[in-house]
Amino acid sequence: DVVMTQSPLSLPVTLGQPASISCRSSQSLVFSDGNTYFHWFQQRPGQSPRRLIYKVSNRDSGVPDRFSGSGSGTDFTLKISRVEAEDVGIYYCMQTTYWPRTFGQGTKVEIK
Amino acid sequence: VQLLESGGDLVQPGRSLRLSCAGSGFTFNTNALNWVRQAPGKGLEWVSSISGSGNYTNYAGSVRGRFTVYRDNSKNMLYLQLNSLRAEDTAKYYCAKGWSLDSLGQGTLVTVSS
Repeated sequence: DVVMTQSPLSLPVTLGQPASISCRSSQSLVFSDGNTYFHWFQQRPGQSPRRLIYKVSNRDSGVPDRFSGSGSGTDFTLKISRVEAEDVGIYYCMQTTYWPRTFGQGTKVEIK
Repeated sequence: VQLLESGGDLVQPGRSLRLSCAGSGFTFNTNALNWVRQAPGKGLEWVSSISGSGNYTNYAGSVRGRFTVYRDNSKNMLYLQLNSLRAEDTAKYYCAKGWSLDSLGQGTLVTVSS
């Protein structure tokens, strides 16, 4: 199975400051069609998860542009340019290149 | 897009349960669907996927042979049959649309306990 390793697992941030979460996969996530099926999800407290970013860097509809995704191969990053109170929650990376699909452990973002 | 799960319950170990997910707001029969679960206080775990036609399915190793995913495209319904339930299957089960999980429902809670 492809192991997804996130860091840090806990991220205290100051409102208005940037934040960054890393995710590494145990093997390259480039599929045979040339696409990289790597995604980021956000789960706010008490809510269902929602996808934020798909295929590394594409924001889902309604996702603020302060969220951005980057990376390639095995190393990926989610950045929040200026953290707002509504960004508190747990962020998960996930790969859908291989079976079984696998998630990272989650990174808890909280306000200092 | 709306995904509405139901069927979660408190069940004893070894028993069975069927979860349902009603989909609306999208072309149901052309979209793959998935089940993802989250144990209390834990992270997300992919459980199963099924193609739009229902001809292709895949399962996590932890549930293979015990769980069965299927769909009824005439009713816009997705199902997960859970057999031989174990305490470690206790979780909220979410259905999710698309091979890349672009939308998830609100979830339904399965508790396995004697």
